[in-house]
Amino acid sequence: AQSVTQPDIHITVSEGASLELRCNYSYGATPYLFWYVQSPGQGLQLLLKYFSGDTLVQGIKGFEAEFKRSQSSFNLRKPSVHWSDAAEYFCAVGATAGNMLTFGGGTRLMVKP
Amino acid sequence: DTGVSQDPRHKITKRGQNVTFRCDPISEHNRLYWYRQTLGQGPEFLTYFQNEAQLEKSRLLSDRFSAERPKGSFSTLEIQRTEQGDSAMYLCASSLAVAGGGGYTFGSGTRLTVV
Repeated sequence: AQSVTQPDIHITVSEGASLELRCNYSYGATPYLFWYVQSPGQGLQLLLKYFSGDTLVQGIKGFEAEFKRSQSSFNLRKPSVHWSDAAEYFCAVGATAGNMLTFGGGTRLMVKP
Repeated sequence: DTGVSQDPRHKITKRGQNVTFRCDPISEHNRLYWYRQTLGQGPEFLTYFQNEAQLEKSRLLSDRFSAERPKGSFSTLEIQRTEQGDSAMYLCASSLAVAGGGGYTFGSGTRLTVV
């Protein structure tokens, strides 16, 4: 069975500082990996996804993520955080067959002015 | 197309009542998914459809839950005899049936409160 762990429940960074959100997954085959962002009371917006190829993927809003198979990780990064990035971030893994996504518990990002 | 629409946005119901939610996916998307999200948790998969066929159901989807997508377009999720534990955000998403799936477009969700 697939699973996702986001070790950090809350993270606070200063505006303009760099950000890294951690994601570790467990899956027996090549995973399909995703990062979503959710603002309060809203649905989820896809930031980026990894299916294959280049292990560094670029997403929207200046985010990027790096797939590291040896570490079973797919960490999300941003070089300079903006106050509007404050939200909850979810990492998810999907199977190659079927389309169920398994989500991590999320990381709540707060941005200090 | 304005994306995935869910109705209602909020629903408060008394324990034991039945509720029904509706999801209108992006028109060209043939896959439709339902997820449930409780406070402070990530979404949990409930079920998904390809066109009108329900292809997978989670064990979370008890007998009190039923989902339909009768014409392969909109979908409904019904909860019978609601319980307080059913209080959650119910999220709908849609996608094209491409290899690997994912990359869904999510709706804004229906927040259910059972009192």
